[in-house]
Amino acid sequence: GQRLNQSPQSMFIQEGEDVSMNCTSSSIFNTWLWYKQDPGEGPVLLIALYKAGELTSNGRLTAQFGITRKDSFLNISASIPSDVGIYFCAGLPFSGTYKYIFGTGTRLKVLA
Amino acid sequence: EPEVTQTPSHQVTQMGQEVILRCVPISNHLYFYWYRQILGQKVEFLVSFYNNEISEKSEIFDDQFSVERPDGSNFTLKIRSTKLEDSAMYFCARREHTEAFFGQGTRLTVV
Repeated sequence: GQRLNQSPQSMFIQEGEDVSMNCTSSSIFNTWLWYKQDPGEGPVLLIALYKAGELTSNGRLTAQFGITRKDSFLNISASIPSDVGIYFCAGLPFSGTYKYIFGTGTRLKVLA
Repeated sequence: EPEVTQTPSHQVTQMGQEVILRCVPISNHLYFYWYRQILGQKVEFLVSFYNNEISEKSEIFDDQFSVERPDGSNFTLKIRSTKLEDSAMYFCARREHTEAFFGQGTRLTVV
């Protein structure tokens, strides 16, 4: 089946640093979504991407839809302690399905 | 608020018992999902439900699972005979265009 691999698996950064993470697959996706999950809670949608090459920002977050349609990137600028959590990418395949495939997650820890 | 409300927030059940997890949409949505997340793992698709019918389901969604929208409002996931490995967070989500909005989840613990 389709798999989305996220890297890095986890990262520890200092407050104020920028963060980059990515999501890759061998399959083509039609839509990319990025979510943040706090402990014990549901994923919260951060950014949605719809077209290859698209670059979208939401405050300190910027995400890009890879030109090959097989990857996506999320950047967080000037991290703050509340950025701590697990970030998931989710892709909607090109096959006409509405079944979102989730990535393996990137766990972010911010050191004050 | 685009999210859905889930009840209960936490349920503990004996192995072999039936459980029903509930999802209450904020408004009159038509397209819903159930996803599962085993502790520390990724979010896995179980089933999608559109206009009162199952649209897609995964291999995980076997005969022990069922979904329905009995009163046109609440959307339920039933597990007929729970197993230890059913312990997980279960998330309901609704789809709007090509975006999915998740509820807070129900933590199911099977003992």
